[in-house]
Amino acid sequence: EDQVTQSPEALRLQEGESSSLNCSYTVSGLRGLFWYRQDPGKGPEFLFTLYSAGEEKEKERLKATLTKKESFLHITAPKPEDSATYLCAVQVSGAGNMLTFGGGTRLMVKP
Amino acid sequence: DGGITQSPKYLFRKEGQNVTLSCEQNLNHDAMYWYRQDPGQGLRLIYYSQIVNDFQKGDIAEGYSVSREKKESFPLTVTSAQKNPTAFYLCASTPGLAGGPGNEQFFGPGTRLTVL
Repeated sequence: EDQVTQSPEALRLQEGESSSLNCSYTVSGLRGLFWYRQDPGKGPEFLFTLYSAGEEKEKERLKATLTKKESFLHITAPKPEDSATYLCAVQVSGAGNMLTFGGGTRLMVKP
Repeated sequence: DGGITQSPKYLFRKEGQNVTLSCEQNLNHDAMYWYRQDPGQGLRLIYYSQIVNDFQKGDIAEGYSVSREKKESFPLTVTSAQKNPTAFYLCASTPGLAGGPGNEQFFGPGTRLTVL
């Protein structure tokens, strides 16, 4: 069974304090790994897709990396507006466009 | 503006009632999806549809029903058979059902359903 685990469940940072969120996965054949940002009471917003180990993608203060077992979302010098829940999801070979989601990491950045 | 709309934003239901959640997209996407999200948990797939008049059960389809009479619309009915329907419901769409670049799932704003 495909499994996606995100850690930590919640993370409190001071503004400017860089950190990383983890997404570990156990799947039969990874086709893609997705990161989404979700604000309270809203739908997830697409951030990145990573397709192969070693791949990296960046957007503003966010950088996503991928290995054969996990992905990291690095947040550099976060600001309060980066506060949100970050969701990780995997797409498995042979499963078309289906996604299996992790439980999310709730990030709170204090000014 | 292209996108996905869901209505209503908030919905209250009495026990024993069926309710229907609306999802509309003007992206000309073929595939549409319904997810359920419980507090502190990830998204779980309820139903998905690849083309008009065709849909498939996801991981937690019991107590739910869908229809796909038009390409742009994929309504979800939460029936009285769903034992614990209070949750946040999200609709998503993709150009097709095949994975790969350019086929990322994009989400609507969600409907919060509360059973009284």
